[in-house]
Amino acid sequence: SQTIHQWPATLVQPVGSPLSLECTVEGTSNPNLYWYRQAAGRGLQLLFYSVGIGQISSEVPQNLSASRPQDRQFILSSKKLLLSDSGFYLCAWSVRTSSYEQYFGPGTRLTVT
Amino acid sequence: QKEVEQNSGPLSVPEGAIASLNCTYSDRGSQSFFWYRQYSGKSPELIMFIYSNGDKEDGRFTAQLNKASQYVSLLIRDSQPSDSATYLCAARGSNYKLTFGKGTLLTVNP
Repeated sequence: SQTIHQWPATLVQPVGSPLSLECTVEGTSNPNLYWYRQAAGRGLQLLFYSVGIGQISSEVPQNLSASRPQDRQFILSSKKLLLSDSGFYLCAWSVRTSSYEQYFGPGTRLTVT
Repeated sequence: QKEVEQNSGPLSVPEGAIASLNCTYSDRGSQSFFWYRQYSGKSPELIMFIYSNGDKEDGRFTAQLNKASQYVSLLIRDSQPSDSATYLCAARGSNYKLTFGKGTLLTVNP
């Protein structure tokens, strides 16, 4: 069966510090991968998605970036965090079928202070 | 802009009742529709998806789709306190990206 991991689970970082969140998927090959952010009282916002190694599409212009160095690894980064970057960051993967249903990892709760 | 709208709730039902959650979407080209359950502080969990008009049943859950009305619903029969959560509706267009609603908070009272 497929499993998706994210770490760390929680993170408190000062404004201006760098960020690196990692996501890995097990039990599937060549998945689509996604990064979402869920801010308090707001819906899920798609940040990046990837259909293959090195292929990244950005949905929202901001100070975040993403990379996919391996087939089942997806990394979210920032060089300098802003207060507005606080939120619940979720990685998801989807099957390449007609439905493209997505499955979420456990998430990383980021607080920028 | 593609939108998915849900009543934010809270929707409160007694234990054992049927909970009805509704969702509308703006993109007529949407092809698949998804219901996720999200407990407080946790990540969303896929309950079921539907892509054909009509009903789809899975245990106590029934998803209903009406493409002409651009309307999706989720019925939860014999609601349990453990069903208390936020329910997210999502729609997929012609690509593989999902557009999510903001969710409906469901409370099942013992």
